[in-house]
Amino acid sequence: AQSVAQPEDQVNVAEGNPLTVKCTYSVSGNPYLFWYVQYPNRGLQFLLKYITGDNLVKGSYGFEAEFNKSQTSFHLKKPSALVSDSALYFCAVRDTTSSTLGRLYFGRGTQLTVWP
Amino acid sequence: DTGVSQDPRHKITKRGQNVTFRCDPISEHNRLYWYRQTLGQGPEFLTYFQNEAQLEKSRLLSDRFSAERPKGSFSTLEIQRTEQGDSAMYLCASSFPTGLTEKLFFGSGTQLSVL
Repeated sequence: AQSVAQPEDQVNVAEGNPLTVKCTYSVSGNPYLFWYVQYPNRGLQFLLKYITGDNLVKGSYGFEAEFNKSQTSFHLKKPSALVSDSALYFCAVRDTTSSTLGRLYFGRGTQLTVWP
Repeated sequence: DTGVSQDPRHKITKRGQNVTFRCDPISEHNRLYWYRQTLGQGPEFLTYFQNEAQLEKSRLLSDRFSAERPKGSFSTLEIQRTEQGDSAMYLCASSFPTGLTEKLFFGSGTQLSVL
């Protein structure tokens, strides 16, 4: 079965410090991995994706994510956090081998709070 | 690009009533998705359309749920005989198909409360 786990409900970090939001996945085939962000009263917005190739993926707003096949992880990172990064972050996976190609499987989300 | 719009933003209904939500995707997007999100959970897939064809349905989409996209443009999601467990945020998303790498554009959702 396809699934995504975000082990931390909340991550708190001081502005200017590096941040990491963790994600692990389980799929039967090759994974296509995504990060989305949700700001209050707004729809989810795409941040970045991993398909193949370089394990370090760069995305919007200075975010990047590191794919690790052996650990089945896809952690979201940013070298220097901003207060405006405070939001709810979702990791998602699309399974490339199942018949359910149209759907994304989302994690439960991690609330990131960056304090000044 | 005016984004994905959903109507209404909020809906309060009594148990047993029928409700219908509307989603207007980004105009050039021919894929349209419905997801449901409950508090503390990530979005769960319900169904998706390519143009007017409904290509995939989740087992979450019980017989009380029906979705349509009659002309391949806007879509409606109807819930019949609502139950308290149907209370959730219903999200619509659209995309331009670029294979499995496509990114979804989400609307702000319709928050349903069943009393």
